[in-house]
Order: sequence, then C-alpha cells, then structure tokens
Amino acid sequence: EDQVTQSPEALRLQEGESSSLNCSYTVSGLRGLFWYRQDPGKGPEFLFTLYSAGEEKEKERLKATLTKKESFLHITAPKPEDSATYLCAVREGEGAQKLVFGQGTRLTINP
Amino acid sequence: DAGITQSPRHKVTETGTPVTLRCHQTENHRYMYWYRQDPGHGLRLIHYSYGVKDTDKGEVSDGYSVSRSKTEDFLLTLESATSSQTSVYFCAIRPAAGPTDTQYFGPGTRLTVL
Repeated sequence: EDQVTQSPEALRLQEGESSSLNCSYTVSGLRGLFWYRQDPGKGPEFLFTLYSAGEEKEKERLKATLTKKESFLHITAPKPEDSATYLCAVREGEGAQKLVFGQGTRLTINP
Repeated sequence: DAGITQSPRHKVTETGTPVTLRCHQTENHRYMYWYRQDPGHGLRLIHYSYGVKDTDKGEVSDGYSVSRSKTEDFLLTLESATSSQTSVYFCAIRPAAGPTDTQYFGPGTRLTVL
C-alpha cells in the first residue's frame, strides 16, 4: 500500500530561522510528488510538482527537492505569513488518478 | 481558487438524512474529484470523475455516491448521513493543460452530522 509520511507533525520557528520539512514515500512507479499549502478554513493551495529524483523547484522563500525516497520543502528566512499546514502528496502509476496525501506539517512562524 | 465553488459551505444535519454537496467549475475541466479531510487521516479520495457520466471510486467511497450530468457540476450524495461522515469535504479539478497531474482544490464544505 502506498504510504506518505510527513515530519515533523508540527514545527515552530522564529522569523528568519530557516528549516526543512520532510515527506517520505513508498510507491511503485512515482508519477509526481506534489506540495500544497493549506491555511485554516481554506482549501489546499498548489505549490510545486516534482517528477524525478534530483529535480528542484523554487518559489519565493520555498524550495522543494526530490530524491528516490523523499522530498524536502526548505524554507529560507521564513516570515509569519508562511505559517500554514504544508501537505505532500504522491501520484503513482500510469493512468492512476489517485493522489495519496500525507497528514501534513503544521508550521508556525513567530515574529 | 481555480474557478471552483462548493455549496453549501457549511451544513449541519441529522443522522439518517440525505445530503448533497455540489461542486461547480467554470472552466470546462474534464477531471473532478471529491476528498474528505479528517484529523489524523489527511485528505482521502472519495470518488472522481473523468467526464460526464464517467465516475469511479476512491479509497473511502462506502456510503457515498456521485453524479456528473454536466461538465461543470459534480455532486456528492450521502444517502443516509452518519456521524462518521462529519468532515470537511473538498472538491478538486485537474486541468488538461499545464502541469497535467496537478489537482486544484475548492474552498471546502464543512459537514456536521449530529
């Protein structure tokens, strides 16, 4: 069974304190790894898609990387507005429609 | 918000009553999805659709049915609501263009079954 595990469950940082969130996965035939941001009471907001090991994507203070077994979401010099829950999901196999989500990391950035 | 609206946004109902949630999109996307989100479980796929009248089950489809008679609307029905179906329900679409595997989510419906 496909598994997606995110760690830590919660992370509290000071403004400007860089860190990384982890998403480890076990799927046969990865067809994409997705990062979303979710604010309280809202739907997930798409951030990145990664398709192959070694791939990296960046957006403002966020950078996502992918290996054969895990992905990292690096947050550089975060600001309070980066506080949110970050979700990781994988899509496996040819023609598969299902995304398997991890449980998320709740990130809090204190000013 | 990828042109997705969900209605109602909040609903409180009683056990045993039927409930229908609506997902409406304005951009003619072929693929639409229903997920539920619960603490400790993350987002889980209930049903999805790959065209008008073409639907398939996800991992937690028991107790739910769906219909798609028009491209723009994807309905999720709880025939007889139970307390275990208290959750936040999200609709998603997958555009054919762009990052083709990416799903975009609506604002959600919070359902409470008493």
